[in-house]
Amino acid sequence: DTAVSQTPKYLVTQMGNDKSIKCEQNLGHDTMYWYKQDSKKFLKIMFSYNNKELIINETVPNRFSPKSPDKAHLNLHINSLELGDSAVYFCASSPRGTLGQPQHFGDGTRLSIL
Amino acid sequence: KNEVEQSPQNLTAQEGEFITINCSYSVGISALHWLQQHPGGGIVSLFMLSSGKKKHGRLIATINIQEKHSSLHITASHPRDSAVYICAVEETSGSRLTFGEGTQLTVNP
Repeated sequence: DTAVSQTPKYLVTQMGNDKSIKCEQNLGHDTMYWYKQDSKKFLKIMFSYNNKELIINETVPNRFSPKSPDKAHLNLHINSLELGDSAVYFCASSPRGTLGQPQHFGDGTRLSIL
Repeated sequence: KNEVEQSPQNLTAQEGEFITINCSYSVGISALHWLQQHPGGGIVSLFMLSSGKKKHGRLIATINIQEKHSSLHITASHPRDSAVYICAVEETSGSRLTFGEGTQLTVNP
């Protein structure tokens, strides 16, 4: 049973396109996150939702828009893709916020912009 | 300067060796996490600690809150331990994780 699942695993697309990455967790967790991992493997938070409510919105271009239809899903839509968006995007979840709770990560989505 | 610094950045060991990876941070924290990222890319949470020491199998994590320092130890290392180990802190100022740059560990047979 996959706890946090992301689709697609790989995404290759042209600059300027719009794309979405989906994330679902079956752990019953209240909080979900999107992280970006750059080419140097450095992870940085992008967004966090708690019970469908946005609680963290880092300095991310507004071409990136998260959407949480319910607390088990947090999707990431990216408009007008740019070369610098190439990275691995990880979804994660935790039981109740970040305070003192381990996070469960998806396998990542490798986005390559041509 | 990153708020979370790890050392070393790269570490190569022979099978069986005792390994230590260090993490220092400069902010107030409520907890510290150690994560493992395998070559396939998936990330797994190894430990979350706010004081003292935790042990799981051959892995031991310690934290010294006063010195703002944590260590991850691997005893009797094995090639399957080869991965990137990432330290992350939960800051008391906000509900987010701040990550170190990771330590690439390679254990040779």
